[in-house]
Amino acid sequence: GNSVTQMEGPVTLSEEAFLTINCTYTATGYPSLFWYVQYPGEGLQLLLKATKADDKGSNKGFEATYRKETTSFHLEKGSVQVSDSAVYFCALSDQNTGTASKLTFGTGTRLQVTL
Amino acid sequence: DVKVTQSSRYLVKRTGEKVFLECVQDMDHENMFWYRQDPGLGLRLIYFSYDVKMKEKGDIPEGYSVSREKKERFSLILESASTNQTSMYLCASSFGVLVSPLHFGNGTRLTVT
Repeated sequence: GNSVTQMEGPVTLSEEAFLTINCTYTATGYPSLFWYVQYPGEGLQLLLKATKADDKGSNKGFEATYRKETTSFHLEKGSVQVSDSAVYFCALSDQNTGTASKLTFGTGTRLQVTL
Repeated sequence: DVKVTQSSRYLVKRTGEKVFLECVQDMDHENMFWYRQDPGLGLRLIYFSYDVKMKEKGDIPEGYSVSREKKERFSLILESASTNQTSMYLCASSFGVLVSPLHFGNGTRLTVT
């Protein structure tokens, strides 16, 4: 079956540091890949997505590239801010289900940014 | 903006009680989902629905049932709550059969004592 593996957190960075959160996946076919973010006390929000190999998703300074050869979708940001402190989830969508857009999520990586 | 509203932010129930978690979305989405979120386990799909009165089991349906009588409302039912169902429950919705982003509610934190 499908699975998503994320690096364990928490990740603690100083403001303006470079961020990488690793994500690798196992899937049949050609899944779409997503990063969701969960701020304290809230539900998940879509951060970015990529639907085919070599696509780069980007939003709010974050970006991730769909690498089929390494089955990876690592999240990066050049300069993090305190307001980026949240839990980040990598997810994939099985396009072969033929029904709803089911997502398989990773376990989440907590990011803490300090001044 | 899409709004997914979960009826309760916090719930405390006793073992053996029947529990209803309600979710309403306002964007005419076809698909609706119930996930539970636990530390170290991420989000796990309990049930989903792609149309009124339709439902499909997710990865962990045991101990749960669902109801979708109207397009905008998707209810999760714990027939006899147990302590291992203490968790954060997240409802989500999305458009159609193609891959589309999920829109989540803010979650219901259920404690079963």
